[in-house]
Amino acid sequence: EAQVTQNPRYLITVTGKKLTVTCSQNMNHEYMSWYRQDPGLGLRQIYYSMNVEVTDKGDVPEGYKVSRKEKRNFPLILESPSPNQTSLYFCASSLRQNYGYTFGSGTRLTVV
Amino acid sequence: AQSVTQPDIHITVSEGASLELRCNYSYGATPYLFWYVQSPGQGLQLLLKYFSGDTLVQGIKGFEAEFKRSQSSFNLRKPSVHWSDAAEYFCAVGAREYGNKLVFGAGTILRVKS
Repeated sequence: EAQVTQNPRYLITVTGKKLTVTCSQNMNHEYMSWYRQDPGLGLRQIYYSMNVEVTDKGDVPEGYKVSRKEKRNFPLILESPSPNQTSLYFCASSLRQNYGYTFGSGTRLTVV
Repeated sequence: AQSVTQPDIHITVSEGASLELRCNYSYGATPYLFWYVQSPGQGLQLLLKYFSGDTLVQGIKGFEAEFKRSQSSFNLRKPSVHWSDAAEYFCAVGAREYGNKLVFGAGTILRVKS
């Protein structure tokens, strides 16, 4: 089944403890992206990648890192999480620029 | 920069009634336009998209949307709403000049009353 898989689905962590949210797609898509969703704000792009080893900042990149060493994987790293990073995170992938994204099921992160 | 406005935060319609969700965007060149739906606790599912050609596009689940360049709008419509359509709907805009960055509106929550 063609899909974007994120793990974990739920995560509660403490301030300052490094964490990684994994994202993998099995559709051979070139484009991948991370979004965070907050009530009343819709989805805001954190980082995106147009191909292996090519990444760029979105609208809200502060406090996040990404890497794209393989085409299928695009992990999101929070080196020192803070409570304002409590949010619902989505990974997405797309074959081409105007195809629209396929989204993962989301990761609900709580930082206490 | 791109921006997307969904003027209605909540909309309530009766089952069987018609639906129109509004979306306005701000961008100079020809945008790529999308509508997504998100059911509670789920990810986003693509309903339909427009990037060129016929300005009336058909999507899944009986939805359609019309691109009106003069009004910078891309409104989503459905002639007869079903209770299962209750969800949150997001309009999104992209453009070639911005790579694969999509900008999303804040969303419209649709409630369906029986």
